[in-house]
Amino acid sequence: QVQLQESGPRLVKPSETLSLTCNVSGGSITGGTNYWSWIRQPPGKELEWIGYISYAGSTNYNPSLKSRVAISADPSKKQFSLQLNAVTTADTAIYYCAVQLRYFGPWGPGTLVTVSS
Amino acid sequence: DIQMTQSPSSLSASVGDRVTITCRASQSIGNFLNWYQLRPGKAPRVLIYAAASLHSGVPSKFSGSGSGTEFTLTISSLQPEDFGTYFCQQSFSAPYSFGRGTKLELQ
Repeated sequence: QVQLQESGPRLVKPSETLSLTCNVSGGSITGGTNYWSWIRQPPGKELEWIGYISYAGSTNYNPSLKSRVAISADPSKKQFSLQLNAVTTADTAIYYCAVQLRYFGPWGPGTLVTVSS
Repeated sequence: DIQMTQSPSSLSASVGDRVTITCRASQSIGNFLNWYQLRPGKAPRVLIYAAASLHSGVPSKFSGSGSGTEFTLTISSLQPEDFGTYFCQQSFSAPYSFGRGTKLELQ
């Protein structure tokens, strides 16, 4: 059973870069046909798909964030990562990593990242 | 982009009740519709995928139906562990979008 866990700074200053890592256990990032996604939920708002990296290394991003986001993977460490540049207070959210097939699952427990000076 | 409209936004119910949540897509998505449960302090989990398929390990009291633009999630015989927030999500096309959620509260 694949399990995921997000890690990274909980507080980021405006205009800086948000960086998070998802540690994967119980499975291989390059094995199978999984896609590895990031999703976020700002306070009081709906969930928003940020993007994914595929088992083959291709990426797909939400157009609303595409100019600021990058998702990468390090299969040797069983990790994939999110970078979001030039953050503002609107990027304050719970950030989740998840396996994406025809649905999202399993998910990590999520980590709250606050953008504040 | 496909917009997902979920209703109601909140719902009060009692243990033992049966409830139904509705999700509407802004265009036809076939059966590319999934339902999730979110509880405080826990990872979200998928309940129903492909509109009506029960995910492994999910109790049969959860059921989904619909196709095209109209979908429903029904939860029968509510138990305390069922209270939380439920989301629909379309997997028809990127960007993959979610409904705003239905908060199910104990009456």
